[in-house]
Amino acid sequence: AQKVTQAQTEISVVEKEDVTLDCVYETRDTTYYLFWYKQPPSGELVFLIRRNSFDEQNEISGRYSWNFQKSTSSFNFTITASQVVDSAVYFCALSGYNTDKLIFGTGTRLQVFP
Amino acid sequence: DVKVTQSSRYLVKRTGEKVFLECVQDMDHENMFWYRQDPGLGLRLIYFSYDVKMKEKGDIPEGYSVSREKKERFSLILESASTNQTSMYLCASSLTQAGYTFGSGTRLTVV
Repeated sequence: AQKVTQAQTEISVVEKEDVTLDCVYETRDTTYYLFWYKQPPSGELVFLIRRNSFDEQNEISGRYSWNFQKSTSSFNFTITASQVVDSAVYFCALSGYNTDKLIFGTGTRLQVFP
Repeated sequence: DVKVTQSSRYLVKRTGEKVFLECVQDMDHENMFWYRQDPGLGLRLIYFSYDVKMKEKGDIPEGYSVSREKKERFSLILESASTNQTSMYLCASSLTQAGYTFGSGTRLTVV
């Protein structure tokens, strides 16, 4: 069975702090995709990144970076120098190779205080 | 600007009513999905569709049905609304393996 675990329910930081959101997944598939989505207070989920299981290179996009480690089945998300606008719920998700069904984690609420 | 549009942002219905939640996408995506989001439970898949007139059950289909008569429209139907269906409902569409585009959600309250 596929499963995504986001153990951190809520994280609070002060602006400019770095913060890492954890994501651990379970799957029997050898080929799969991992995703991160952001849900700001407005409610609409925004796509952040997709990573396939063959690509373990870390990715950086501005203040955002992702660390994919197959050995520990983790796909962690780091925000450097956090800002108030980063306040949102962040979801990690997993899909198998031949399906578009996404399995979501329960989300991590990030609050960034000025 | 491409998007997924959900017809209502907020909806209040009475127990036992038949409820229709509409979702339209303008990206010519084959795949469409309905999720519900509840605190502490994340997003759970209700139904999905990979083509017109095609539907498949997700993880929590009980009490729901769907309709996809046209490629761009995917409707979620609550046959007889109950209070435990009070939730945020999210529609999404996708091209295969490209990730989802979500609508802004419908917050449904059943009283």
